[in-house]
Amino acid sequence: DIQMTQSPASLSTSLEEIVTITCQASQNIGNWLAWYQQKPGKSPQLLIYGTTSLADGVPSRFSGSRSGTQYSLKISRLQVEDIGIYYCQQASTTPYTFGAGTKLELK
Amino acid sequence: EVQLVESGGGLVQPGRSLKVSCVASGFTFNNYWMTWIRQAPGKGLEWVASITNTGGSTYYPDSVKGRFTISRDNAESTLYLQMNSLRSEDTATYYCSRVPDWAYFDYWGQGVMVTVSS
Repeated sequence: DIQMTQSPASLSTSLEEIVTITCQASQNIGNWLAWYQQKPGKSPQLLIYGTTSLADGVPSRFSGSRSGTQYSLKISRLQVEDIGIYYCQQASTTPYTFGAGTKLELK
Repeated sequence: EVQLVESGGGLVQPGRSLKVSCVASGFTFNNYWMTWIRQAPGKGLEWVASITNTGGSTYYPDSVKGRFTISRDNAESTLYLQMNSLRSEDTATYYCSRVPDWAYFDYWGQGVMVTVSS
C-alpha cells in the first residue's frame, strides 16, 4: 500500500499568516493527489484535486504544489473559517490512502 | 443541490451484520462512481469501498474485502454497504461520497455511526 506521511500533525498559527502543510508519498503517485478540509463536527470537503486544481467554490488563497513525491497545501492568508483538520489522499492506486491529518489551530 | 443522506447505522454485536444506505439527490446518480469512506472516533479517514456507475465493478481494501459489499440501485438513486462479520475495529462514522473523477471525492454525506460492541 502507498503510505502518505503528512506533516506537521498540528499547527498553531495566527490569522492572515501563510500556512503550509506537506504530504510525502511512499512511491510515485504522479499528480494523483487531493486535499480535504474537515471542520469540527462536519464531513470532509474536497479542496484540491490533481495536485493543483481547486474544487468548486474553494477560495483562491488555497493552492497545491508538488516536488517529486512531496506535495504541499498552502493557505496564503489564514482566515478563521480555515480552522480544522486537513487530509491529503492519494488517488493513484487502490487502496486509496489518506494522510493522518494536520490539525490547524489559532494561537 | 447535491445531497447525500446516509441511514441505517447503530449498535451491533461483533460477528453480526448491518446494512447502511445512502440516498442521493441533486445529480444524475447513474453517471457517477460512488464510494464509502469511514472515520473511527477521533481518527483519520479510511477508504472502504468504491463502485462503478453501472455497478458492474467494485473495489475494496484488504481490511474489509470478503466481509463488506458495496452495491447500488440506480433506479432509486441509492447506495448501499452490506457489512458482515463485523469487528470492533469497524466502529466508525461511515460516509458515502460521490466520485467526480477517478478517485477523488467531491460531495460527502453527513455520515452514519456504526458501533460494534457486545
